[in-house]
Amino acid sequence: GENVEQHPSTLSVQEGDSAVIKCTYSDSASNYFPWYKQELGKRPQLIIDIRSNVGEKKDQRIAVTLNKTAKHFSLHITETQPEDSAVYFCAASSAGGGNKLTFGTGTQLKVEL
Amino acid sequence: DAGITQSPRHKVTETGTPVTLRCHQTENHRYMYWYRQDPGHGLRLIHYSYGVKDTDKGEVSDGYSVSRSKTEDFLLTLESATSSQTSVYFCAISETGNQPQHFGDGTRLSIL
Repeated sequence: GENVEQHPSTLSVQEGDSAVIKCTYSDSASNYFPWYKQELGKRPQLIIDIRSNVGEKKDQRIAVTLNKTAKHFSLHITETQPEDSAVYFCAASSAGGGNKLTFGTGTQLKVEL
Repeated sequence: DAGITQSPRHKVTETGTPVTLRCHQTENHRYMYWYRQDPGHGLRLIHYSYGVKDTDKGEVSDGYSVSRSKTEDFLLTLESATSSQTSVYFCAISETGNQPQHFGDGTRLSIL
């Protein structure tokens, strides 16, 4: 089955700096890669996603890049703000149908003032 | 926010007792999913449904069963709860098998 590895597990940045979180996946047939943000005690919320036919996608301060050859994808957050502090999860959808997601283990992002 | 309601939100029970968690949606989405979240593991898929009475196993299905008799409801049952099933359980829905998943607020289950 699919295996997703996520790094780093914790990330601390100064407000206004950029943050990058990286994930690798094992199944070359995976074709959908969402990112979720989860605040403490809350539900995971979808913040951006990318499909395998696209190399990059941006939404304001957030961008995701995908390298299918290397089987890795990354989340980029620019101009970080304290409200960006949360746990971020990457995921990959296995190609067997049903949009079954395999998640990474999460990155705790802390934006310091 | 997607119309997803999980119940109960919190439950404490004893080892060996049956437990049923409910996920109710008002979006008329075809796909529904159950995940568990544990420290160090992220979210792991337990079971999912792709229509009424149509279900399939996920990554960690042992010890769990599901049922979907109506589009809006997806039930997760632990027939005989064990301490290893202490976790936070999230339901998610998706309009089709090719659309993003949106999560409910979760159920915190403690098995003593």
